[in-house]
Amino acid sequence: GEDVEQSLFLSVREGDSSVINCTYTDSSSTYLYWYKQEPGAGLQLLTYIFSNMDMKQDQRLTVLLNKKDKHLSLRIADTQTGDSAIYFCAASGSARQLTFGSGTQLTVLP
Amino acid sequence: NAGVMQNPRHLVRRRGQEARLRCSPMKGHSHVYWYRQLPEEGLKFMVYLQKENIIDESGMPKERFSAEFPKEGPSILRIQQVVRGDSAAYFCASSDQTGSYEQYFGPGTRLTVT
Repeated sequence: GEDVEQSLFLSVREGDSSVINCTYTDSSSTYLYWYKQEPGAGLQLLTYIFSNMDMKQDQRLTVLLNKKDKHLSLRIADTQTGDSAIYFCAASGSARQLTFGSGTQLTVLP
Repeated sequence: NAGVMQNPRHLVRRRGQEARLRCSPMKGHSHVYWYRQLPEEGLKFMVYLQKENIIDESGMPKERFSAEFPKEGPSILRIQQVVRGDSAAYFCASSDQTGSYEQYFGPGTRLTVT
């Protein structure tokens, strides 16, 4: 089955860019997602990209997809303290169920 | 437009009791998914339902767990004879009937088994 991997921790300074990376194993994954989870809360859908796209930009967020390497990244420009959270990468195929990575804890330092 | 609603937000059960978790999808959504998040881990898929039908239950434990999404009312995830290992956050997500792959999550129910 699908396996999704992420690094566990990332620290950045306020105002810098953050880049969170993710790899997946199933080349038939159709959609790739980024979700944000704040402490004690549910998951907020940030953005997603269809597998035939290389890049998607939405305000401060840029998603890059390298389908050959099965690598997905999320870049947050001008990172703010309110961006501190856990970020989950997820993949889905025809089965619709999402397979999640373990999450990357982003800490934004003042 | 209310989002996905789950209740209760916190549930404490003793070993051997039953837990019932409820999920009301977003307005206009007829697809519901349940996921479980163990401490310090990502979410794991459990079951995918449409109204009155279980579409995919490949992630459900074979015993003690069941799910339904009746024609009227919320989706229910039922755990019978709970054990300590069932302690987790249970999240529900919904998507619309057009086949959209956007899943919107509720706030979760945090189950603690004592």
